[in-house]
Amino acid sequence: RKEVEQDPGPFNVPEGATVAFNCTYSNSASQSFFWYRQDCRKEPKLLMSVYSSGNEDGRFTAQLNRASQYISLLIRDSKLSDSATYLCVSGSNDYKLSFGAGTTVTVRA
Amino acid sequence: DVKVTQSSRYLVKRTGEKVFLECVQDMDHENMFWYRQDPGLGLRLIYFSYDVKMKEKGDIPEGYSVSREKKERFSLILESASTNQTSMYLCASSSGILWEQYFGPGTRLTVT
Repeated sequence: RKEVEQDPGPFNVPEGATVAFNCTYSNSASQSFFWYRQDCRKEPKLLMSVYSSGNEDGRFTAQLNRASQYISLLIRDSKLSDSATYLCVSGSNDYKLSFGAGTTVTVRA
Repeated sequence: DVKVTQSSRYLVKRTGEKVFLECVQDMDHENMFWYRQDPGLGLRLIYFSYDVKMKEKGDIPEGYSVSREKKERFSLILESASTNQTSMYLCASSSGILWEQYFGPGTRLTVT
């Protein structure tokens, strides 16, 4: 079983819409969580860290649910430039980051 | 601006060849990582290093070795390339072991 599971999508949404998706992690000892963004044929880049209390960065909101072991990402007022693959990442006490396979979001005009 | 560079963007090698992939970071990071990325599987950790001359196996080390002789440089070696090692290889570095990782542009390796 993969340590981090994501719905691959694609999520096709119109500009201005809100899109949200989750990922689940299997290691209950995971301590750190991130969302990375990967554009087509490019390297992953950190979008945001995910804190226990939930956090917001502009149009992006991340939530962590430790009881159910999932992380969510919500994008408000979607822009064309938000089209990308979003990678969910968890870090555990064996000092490794585990990456999900990614959720693809396509924002259409 | 932080920078991780990789020696090649595209590489084509024959089965059985020895392959060297080089990664250099200019951020004075302690930690460096090698991943491979395959469709549907995501990024899988091959090896990582938390200090010069130190290395730790990741999830899929078989068929690979690494070398870290200088802090800024981390090399991935395929001793005898096989077709199932055709993949995108990504190098990353970080200042903390569970902190943000900065990735290089990747090397798309094809083994024929």
